Amino acid sequence: NAGVTQTPKFQVLKTGQSMTLQCAQDMNHNSMYWYRQDPGMGLRLIYYSASEGTTDKGEVPNGYNVSRLNKREFSLRLESAAPSQTSVYFCASIWGGGAGLAGGNQPQHFGDGTRLSIL
Amino acid sequence: KQEVTQIPAALSVPEGENLVLNCSFTDSAIYNLQWFRQDPGKGLTSLLLIQSSQREQTSGRLNASLDKSSGRSTLYIAASQPGDSATYLCAVRGQGAQKLVFGQGTRLTINP
Repeated sequence: NAGVTQTPKFQVLKTGQSMTLQCAQDMNHNSMYWYRQDPGMGLRLIYYSASEGTTDKGEVPNGYNVSRLNKREFSLRLESAAPSQTSVYFCASIWGGGAGLAGGNQPQHFGDGTRLSIL
Repeated sequence: KQEVTQIPAALSVPEGENLVLNCSFTDSAIYNLQWFRQDPGKGLTSLLLIQSSQREQTSGRLNASLDKSSGRSTLYIAASQPGDSATYLCAVRGQGAQKLVFGQGTRLTINP
């Protein structure tokens, strides 16, 4: 079982370059999420998609855009990379919708992360 | 705003000991609480999920408890093994919320 797959695993960019991080899940999950993990800051939510066709901002959305391409895929784009965006990025998914909806008590599944360095 | 705290940030114990990891949260109106394990260079793996109506969940040598009124959860690991070495994170999901709020984790080292 592939679960949540992220590509690429590693990437080095120069300031001002753009790139797209890809995420795909094969569990027929409705909701998908993008987090960043920084030392001393824990995981912080960037954007999420509660269902196909919808996206919403999380805690730290500035400098990022997302696309829910279909039910399986949720991409994160950095339009003009900055050194402050150096981080490890995780994609996650969950079967259910929001808390209180069916599947709200299902665990989130995470990919292995993309390690992004911006010089 | 929900805040989640895990203390200590790091813990080192000899193999075979029973141990407890702590998680506290500021807003008791939670929907559920999850414990995750993260190995170096890897993503998070869900260990246990406790619904707001539950007091505890068990899986093998792991037992997680939840006390909403005091804003606390504990993860109990029995008979620790070197393979248990990892970072353990707790996360809470608020009522009506889509997102999880994470603690910063406890880095656990089990010494052979």
